[in-house]
Amino acid sequence: AQSVAQPEDQVNVAEGNPLTVKCTYSVSGNPYLFWYVQYPNRGLQFLLKYITGDNLVKGSYGFEAEFNKSQTSFHLKKPSALVSDSALYFCAVRPYGGATNKLIFGTGTLLAVQP
Amino acid sequence: DTGVSQNPRHKITKRGQNVTFRCDPISEHNRLYWYRQTLGQGPEFLTYFQNEAQLEKSRLLSDRFSAERPKGSFSTLEIQRTEQGDSAMYLCASSLDRDLNEKLFFGSGTQLSVL
Repeated sequence: AQSVAQPEDQVNVAEGNPLTVKCTYSVSGNPYLFWYVQYPNRGLQFLLKYITGDNLVKGSYGFEAEFNKSQTSFHLKKPSALVSDSALYFCAVRPYGGATNKLIFGTGTLLAVQP
Repeated sequence: DTGVSQNPRHKITKRGQNVTFRCDPISEHNRLYWYRQTLGQGPEFLTYFQNEAQLEKSRLLSDRFSAERPKGSFSTLEIQRTEQGDSAMYLCASSLDRDLNEKLFFGSGTQLSVL
């Protein structure tokens, strides 16, 4: 079965410090991986995706993610956190060979950035 | 605002009643998805439309659930004989039909509470 795991329910970081939100995946075949962010009372927003190519993917709002095939991970990173980055972050995978862009989401990680 | 629009934002109903939600996707998007999200979980795929054709349904979608997209524009999701376990946030998303890794645009959701 194809799945993603987000091992941390919450990540706390001070403003200005680097942040990492972890994601590991389990898929058959090549993984198609995504990060979405959910702000309070707003819909999920796309941040970035890995399809193929460079293992370091850059996305919106200064976020990036590193695809690591040997560790089956796709951690989300940012060099310097902002208070406004506080939100719920979801990692997702598109099943390999699927005929749709249906996504399987992780359980989410709440990022809290303290001023 | 030309994003994905969902109505109503909140719905409170008594067990056994029928409810219907509406989703208006971004106008040029011909792919439309319904997801369900419960507290502490990531969104779970329910069903998918390409234009007016419903191409995939999750096993989560029992016989009490029906979705339509009659003219390939807006979509409705109806739940008949609601149960307390149906309480959740129902999310709609749409995307372009360029490739299967196209990003999804989500609405803010309809929060259903079944009493």
